[in-house]
Amino acid sequence: ILNVEQSPQSLHVQEGDSTNFTCSFPSSNFYALHWYRWETAKSPEALFVMTLNGDEKKKGRISATLNTKEGYSYLYIKGSQPEDSATYLCAPPPGNTPLVFGKGTRLSVIA
Amino acid sequence: GAGVSQSPSNKVTEKGKDVELRCDPISGHTALYWYRQSLGQGLEFLIYFQGNSAPDKSGLPSDRFSAERTGGSVSTLTIQRTQQEDSAVYLCASSLGISGLAAYEQYFGPGTRLTVT
Repeated sequence: ILNVEQSPQSLHVQEGDSTNFTCSFPSSNFYALHWYRWETAKSPEALFVMTLNGDEKKKGRISATLNTKEGYSYLYIKGSQPEDSATYLCAPPPGNTPLVFGKGTRLSVIA
Repeated sequence: GAGVSQSPSNKVTEKGKDVELRCDPISGHTALYWYRQSLGQGLEFLIYFQGNSAPDKSGLPSDRFSAERTGGSVSTLTIQRTQQEDSAVYLCASSLGISGLAAYEQYFGPGTRLTVT
């Protein structure tokens, strides 16, 4: 079973702080990675699909990088806001079976 | 357009009873996925349908769990003889699943919260 690890498991930051967390995966197996954001009482929503080694995507204050050679992706949030509080999940695209999501990083931004 | 819908939103059932959970994917999406999230756990893959191919059932935790997808659209997840450990939020997702990585982006439904008493 392919293993996707996310760290830290949870994170508490003050409003305005920048933060980042990690998704690690077996570098020989993954060619792409999705990041999802899952707010409490809502459904997961796609943030980014990362496709190339060295790929960098940005959406507002949130950005992500991908290193397929070493098997990790970083998600960065600049100037965290309370509305950024959510669980952030990473996952390979279907085709790597069984489908595996990381357990997520639960971010709490304190006003 | 309409997103992925699931019904019921909440289900409380007694141990030993059978339950059916329904998922309506986004129109035109050929791939459909079922996941569950138990308390304190991450998303656990259950089953994956892609077009007319045989479903990937590798995530189903026991033979009490089954799923079908009729006409390439609506899917039903059935849990027979429910146990307390089946209590979880059951999420359905769909994707275009045709070609290209963006086609595999999954759109999730609101989930069904199942409580087995």
